[in-house]
Amino acid sequence: DTGVSQDPRHKITKRGQNVTFRCDPISEHNRLYWYRQTLGQGPEFLTYFQNEAQLEKSRLLSDRFSAERPKGSFSTLEIQRTEQGDSAMYLCASSPTPTGLNEQFFGPGTRLTVL
Amino acid sequence: DAKTTQPTSMDCAEGRAANLPCNHSTISGNEYVYWYRQIHSQGPQYIIHGLKNNETNEMASLIITEDRKSSTLILPHATLRDTAVYYCIVRGLSGNTGKLIFGQGTTLQVKP
Repeated sequence: DTGVSQDPRHKITKRGQNVTFRCDPISEHNRLYWYRQTLGQGPEFLTYFQNEAQLEKSRLLSDRFSAERPKGSFSTLEIQRTEQGDSAMYLCASSPTPTGLNEQFFGPGTRLTVL
Repeated sequence: DAKTTQPTSMDCAEGRAANLPCNHSTISGNEYVYWYRQIHSQGPQYIIHGLKNNETNEMASLIITEDRKSSTLILPHATLRDTAVYYCIVRGLSGNTGKLIFGQGTTLQVKP
């Protein structure tokens, strides 16, 4: 068990480009979460999956954002037509059971810079 | 989920106990108190959680007041590696999403 991994760790892109991030949760973790963190702030919830089903999306997740978790394993977060305001750390977390109170295990994050 | 209030920053001498307070006066009976920390450039890390009894694990102790309106996270012998932002989060079963709602946390600086 190597923990939650995220790829890439850093991404620099130009405004208007599309970017995709990948998250590999701890194996057999049913729940997968995406958060966004801007400088000096705590992480903000974006969306979560129970297995392959996306069960909640924050209003922060505009229509330029889409997340998937095919087959309930890894997940991808895509941002289309990036804007400078999308610059942030994107964090992925997973938890082992669907009870809702289990601790979440976070990955190292993907730092996105939009020029 | 109830809102929490934490001091913006605290200092602690290496080897001494670090006591990090958190106010959660609107906590409801079925909500738990969680603590996470985030070391610079890393993802948050779970520390401990509790409902109403005091809790201890290998990382820290959590003291919850009898009225549950506040709590204190105690790092018994702080080291330089404990320098981080510490988040106090109140979380219940409502909606059962399990999502965490982070505030701005307390930046703990452990000094030699």
